[in-house]
Amino acid sequence: DTAVSQTPKYLVTQMGNDKSIKCEQNLGHDTMYWYKQDSKKFLKIMFSYNNKELIINETVPNRFSPKSPDKAHLNLHINSLELGDSAVYFCASSQAGTGGRTEAFFGQGTRLTVV
Amino acid sequence: AQSVAQPEDQVNVAEGNPLTVKCTYSVSGNPYLFWYVQYPNRGLQFLLKYITGDNLVKGSYGFEAEFNKSQTSFHLKKPSALVSDSALYFCAVRDSGTGTASKLTFGTGTRLQVTL
Repeated sequence: DTAVSQTPKYLVTQMGNDKSIKCEQNLGHDTMYWYKQDSKKFLKIMFSYNNKELIINETVPNRFSPKSPDKAHLNLHINSLELGDSAVYFCASSQAGTGGRTEAFFGQGTRLTVV
Repeated sequence: AQSVAQPEDQVNVAEGNPLTVKCTYSVSGNPYLFWYVQYPNRGLQFLLKYITGDNLVKGSYGFEAEFNKSQTSFHLKKPSALVSDSALYFCAVRDSGTGTASKLTFGTGTRLQVTL
């Protein structure tokens, strides 16, 4: 069983469109994250949710809206896509209840290409 | 603010030789330190972590890392490199005192190239 799964794996879309990426974890973790990896492979946190509550929002444009229907799911919706949104988006999860001692588990990534 | 520096964009080593990938960090509290590896078109895989205790931690695939508090470093090492170790390696830090607002901050990554 895949611990953290994201869909779709690849997403090609036109500028101005709205798209969503879904993420699910079956590890029983209480915290989930979205990270963005740019073309230079730099990884930057976007959001984190703990038990469905938004904890971290790293000055991401409000075109990006995460939604956590339950603690096993964290979806990312992006409105009015721009060329600069092209990147690989990674979902991750961890157990914050241990004070951050546990490692985060990452999904396989979603490669978003905006044309 | 917490940060991680990986000073080398790329490390080249011959198979069978020891390898070191460097990492230094900055946090306000006590650090939790992690190494991850990323193979092409794949997600990040956890290698090892330092939380507390012994400064030398051992992880997956024969990798180890040494925590040095005075030098704020956490270098990744392996005694004998394999061609299959070629990948992108990320060091990450988490501030132990930030509770549920805890986040992993990554370095810029170091590409390891192991050649025959």
